[in-house]
Amino acid sequence: EPEVTQTPSHQVTQMGQEVILRCVPISNHLYFYWYRQILGQKVEFLVSFYNNEISEKSEIFDDQFSVERPDGSNFTLKIRSTKLEDSAMYFCASSTETGNQPQHFGDGTRLSIL
Amino acid sequence: AQSVTQPDIHITVSEGASLELRCNYSYGATPYLFWYVQSPGQGLQLLLKYFSGDTLVQGIKGFEAEFKRSQSSFNLRKPSVHWSDAAEYFCAVGAMNTGFQKLVFGTGTRLLVSP
Repeated sequence: EPEVTQTPSHQVTQMGQEVILRCVPISNHLYFYWYRQILGQKVEFLVSFYNNEISEKSEIFDDQFSVERPDGSNFTLKIRSTKLEDSAMYFCASSTETGNQPQHFGDGTRLSIL
Repeated sequence: AQSVTQPDIHITVSEGASLELRCNYSYGATPYLFWYVQSPGQGLQLLLKYFSGDTLVQGIKGFEAEFKRSQSSFNLRKPSVHWSDAAEYFCAVGAMNTGFQKLVFGTGTRLLVSP
């Protein structure tokens, strides 16, 4: 069964550094998402992306965050200047439609900011 | 605003016993509802979904859930739990405020299975 893949599985970065988290969504999916889960807390929506533009973003997704689909297969989340509170598990998800089709998640990237 | 409540943080069930995990949602329109499972160090795996139609939905691994509009609930059930079911379970509602869906998750219920 096709799946969403995320790399790396664990990223350790110094505070203030830029980090790029990578995702390869399922190939025929058109809608892409990032969520995060701070340790011990609930999974939170960050951003959705469709047709090469952001369709919705949460208040967490401030100017330090950006997303990009640089080619036909990758979907990236960039954090420009990381903060300690950015430490979390970041999940990428994708779906064929929005609304009446489920989102399929990757295994996540654990981001640790030192 | 949309929200999901999972009132049980932890539940311990004996292997072979039945299971029910509770989920209540708040959403102004007809909800899309989901249950996901997360094993340690893993991502979120979709167990089942409700979009419309039959209010009792079947999922993978022998799980089912029942949508009750009058109670704003979508409880997850399994008749006989296996040790491999130990994991964290998340209920989610699909919010469509902007025409694009985002998932709003509950805080999760950690299931422990005793021998």
